[in-house]
Amino acid sequence: DAGVIQSPRHEVTEMGQEVTLRCKPISGHNSLFWYRQTMMRGLELLIYFNNNVPIDDSGMPEDRFSAKMPNASFSTLKIQPSEPRDSAVYFCASRTVGAGETQYFGPGTRLLVL
Amino acid sequence: AQSVTQLDSHVSVSEGTPVLLRCNYSSSYSPSLFWYVQHPNKGLQLLLKYTSAATLVKGINGFEAEFKKSETSFHLTKPSAHMSDAAEYFCVVRIRTYKYIFGTGTRLKVLA
Repeated sequence: DAGVIQSPRHEVTEMGQEVTLRCKPISGHNSLFWYRQTMMRGLELLIYFNNNVPIDDSGMPEDRFSAKMPNASFSTLKIQPSEPRDSAVYFCASRTVGAGETQYFGPGTRLLVL
Repeated sequence: AQSVTQLDSHVSVSEGTPVLLRCNYSSSYSPSLFWYVQHPNKGLQLLLKYTSAATLVKGINGFEAEFKKSETSFHLTKPSAHMSDAAEYFCVVRIRTYKYIFGTGTRLKVLA
């Protein structure tokens, strides 16, 4: 099993540009999470999908952020337009319903907005 | 309110000595608890989890944790630290179907 795959691993962009982060969950997992990690706020849940349907997006900072999950094996998180305060590490995690409800994390995308 | 508190932001130990990373939680019902490790510039890796089975949970790389309901604690231990254990450790409690609360992390430093 390849685990959760995220791309790109690093992204440097200029303020105002569109940024798209990608995630491929573990095959067979039916839940997907997007998190943001910063020094100041730690790990924050941005959005949660279950069976490709967004269930809770209350953590999405503002309208500049959007997320989609067109199928069970792919999700995107888009920031448009990007701002310097969006600089953070963005993690995708997936899980399947079962004992423990364990989340499995991807390696993250380190985003720097100049 | 449900919460998780990691009592130490930094812990330093010498190689070969025991490790203790402390975590207290607050939950209105029997929680699922997890410990994750994050090495520099890496994702979070599951060390172990408690899900209302045995109170002493064994994880990977020699780590274990004991769930103590009376103390609302879930401390992480390892008998002998290795240099490769240097990382940040997160205690996590699942409070709802998809809601997880992450502790603020404990950075473990292992001295040669």
